[in-house]
Amino acid sequence: LAKTTQPISMDSYEGQEVNITCSHNNIATNDYITWYQQFPSQGPRFIIQGYKTKVTNEVASLFIPADRKSSTLSLPRVSLSDTAVYYCLVGEPGANNLFFGTGTRLTVIP
Amino acid sequence: DVKVTQSSRYLVKRTGEKVFLECVQDMDHENMFWYRQDPGLGLRLIYFSYDVKMKEKGDIPEGYSVSREKKERFSLILESASTNQTSMYLCASSFRGIADTQYFGPGTRLTVL
Repeated sequence: LAKTTQPISMDSYEGQEVNITCSHNNIATNDYITWYQQFPSQGPRFIIQGYKTKVTNEVASLFIPADRKSSTLSLPRVSLSDTAVYYCLVGEPGANNLFFGTGTRLTVIP
Repeated sequence: DVKVTQSSRYLVKRTGEKVFLECVQDMDHENMFWYRQDPGLGLRLIYFSYDVKMKEKGDIPEGYSVSREKKERFSLILESASTNQTSMYLCASSFRGIADTQYFGPGTRLTVL
C-alpha cells in the first residue's frame, strides 16, 4: 500500500507559482499519481493525474521524476480562490486500496 | 457533468438513533465510496462498493454498515449513533476504482448529541 507524505501547510502570495511536493517511496509499477483539491464545505475535486514525466492541463502541471518516488503539483500564478487543501494519492486504476492522507493546506495571501 | 448528491447537508441526531445517509450518482459508475473527514485526520475510507450488493470494508468500518441495492445508490448506516461519529461524511463514485477519478458529493455534516 503506497502511502504519501505531504507538507501540512503552505502560504503563498497572489500571483506566485506554488509547488507542492508529495513523497511516495513505495509506489508500485502500476500506480498512478492523482491530485485533488478541496474547498471548505465541499467534497474534493479532481485536478490532475499522471504516471511519469510531466502532465499539464488548464489548471495545473504535475512533475514526476524518473524514479517516481515523489511528485510535484505546480499551480501557476495562484489567486485567492486557490486557497484549499490539496491531496496527493497513489494507486492502481481499478484497485480499491488507497490512502487519502491529510493533504496540504494552501493559503494564498493578498 | 457527473453529479453525486447526498440526501442532507446537515443532520443532527441523538445517541443511539439509527441514521441513514443516502448517496446517489447519475453516471452509471460501478464504484461508490463512503468517507469521513475529521480535522487533522484527512479523509478516511469507511466502506466501498464495486457492484450492486457488493461491499468491502475500508480503513474504519467499525460502527457502520452499507447497502447498495441499486447501482446509482449507496447508503451508509449508523446502527446506533454515538458522539464519536460526529463528522463530515463524503460520498464518491468512480468508473473503475479508487485510483480512478473520483467524483464527490457535497458532504453531510452529522452531529450526534
